Amino acid sequence: GAGVSQSPSNKVTEKGKDVELRCDPISGHTALYWYRQSLGQGLEFLIYFQGNSAPDKSGLPSDRFSAERTGGSVSTLTIQRTQQEDSAVYLCASSRGVLAGQETQYFGPGTRLLVL
Amino acid sequence: AQKVTQAQTEISVVEKEDVTLDCVYETRDTTYYLFWYKQPPSGELVFLIRRNSFDEQNEISGRYSWNFQKSTSSFNFTITASQVVDSAVYFCALRALTGANNLFFGTGTRLTVIP
Repeated sequence: GAGVSQSPSNKVTEKGKDVELRCDPISGHTALYWYRQSLGQGLEFLIYFQGNSAPDKSGLPSDRFSAERTGGSVSTLTIQRTQQEDSAVYLCASSRGVLAGQETQYFGPGTRLLVL
Repeated sequence: AQKVTQAQTEISVVEKEDVTLDCVYETRDTTYYLFWYKQPPSGELVFLIRRNSFDEQNEISGRYSWNFQKSTSSFNFTITASQVVDSAVYFCALRALTGANNLFFGTGTRLTVIP
């Protein structure tokens, strides 16, 4: 497909376990973003990748959260030692770039994470 | 700091009525971008429109129109002759040129169109 894809669509895990969420951006898009959507916090920015530059991690809520982007394409968001407050929908977005005219972000369907 | 306020939490209208969703933003940047996204029950955020801070021209796309007014820091969205398929949560978002290029979202407005 031509859009942003994410997997899994749903994930149920036990408190304390690690989880990995995957995002496949639109082909040719150099910028990739992770957001989290939860009832109490709305839509929050987590981390941003642009090309080969170091990621901007300013939105990560704790050091249990990390992300990587291999080959400038697919990204994995990892949550270690999950807590119940990590339960949310994790959304990935990509854009052609960050310059004027390139900055529109297109979102994937999200991964719904439930920590029991 | 960037902030987006959508004061209307929920709106219900009867089909064919017009409805306006309000969005007020705050930023110290002189160059910024404003967006509207639709989130239907399926959950995926669908891009609707992008506006840059230098273009205050209103835009119309079919039944959708947007009114951008820098003087009041508002970017309101009107749906004309609403339809049941318009039922969704609508988010207004701001992206400034400073920082991580991320979007700052409002809390969303849930629109229900009653047949």
